[in-house]
Amino acid sequence: QSALTQPPSASGSPGQSVTISCTGTSSDVGGYNYVSWYQQHPGKAPKLMIYEVNKRPSGVPDRFSGSKSGNTASLTVSGLQADDEADYYCMSYAGSDNYVFGSGTKVTVL
Amino acid sequence: EVQLVESGGGLVQPGGSLRLSCAASGFPFTYYWMNWVRQAPGKGLVWVARINGDGSSTGYADSVRGRFTISRDNGKHTLFLQMNGLRDEDTAVYYCTRDPGNWLDPWGQGTLVTVSS
Repeated sequence: QSALTQPPSASGSPGQSVTISCTGTSSDVGGYNYVSWYQQHPGKAPKLMIYEVNKRPSGVPDRFSGSKSGNTASLTVSGLQADDEADYYCMSYAGSDNYVFGSGTKVTVL
Repeated sequence: EVQLVESGGGLVQPGGSLRLSCAASGFPFTYYWMNWVRQAPGKGLVWVARINGDGSSTGYADSVRGRFTISRDNGKHTLFLQMNGLRDEDTAVYYCTRDPGNWLDPWGQGTLVTVSS
């Protein structure tokens, strides 16, 4: 149950795009289409942003999109806004009723 | 409105026990898998445990298996986490979260567990 690998940080100017990667193995990310992404502002509970690789829950702006290729999933935030500054975590189903989270990425809006 | 409210956190000595509760409302509790996720101070999210709708199937992270037990009372719409043999490294905010289908939504506000002598 090793954590999925994410870059520690990412940044972009308002209006630009930023993409965060999430690398696992064939036993988790590569083996299932059950990758989800969570946004967490300081001192707050996480919020679901993407589920099943590329689906957006109601209320999440379409500026947020997800994809997957092999053992790596990605979250893209387009048209960066100040409120997008937060920590982002990926999560994957890992079989046998287990989940594994990514190490987290701090997104800074310059 | 879907609501998850955790309680039961606090300060406990190493080796001690604590039972967390999560009161659920606003959705048919019995139909959903539920999870506990924790976050140590300044660290990332870590999945802890999972339970199915009728409580017959559970899963645990390696770090807590054999020490923690997840359970639920569907009549009271409440999720539990019994934590025994607590260690310093179990210090974290513990979140209760609903599992609609291999993703987690929504999350409670969390309850802080501090393991220290």
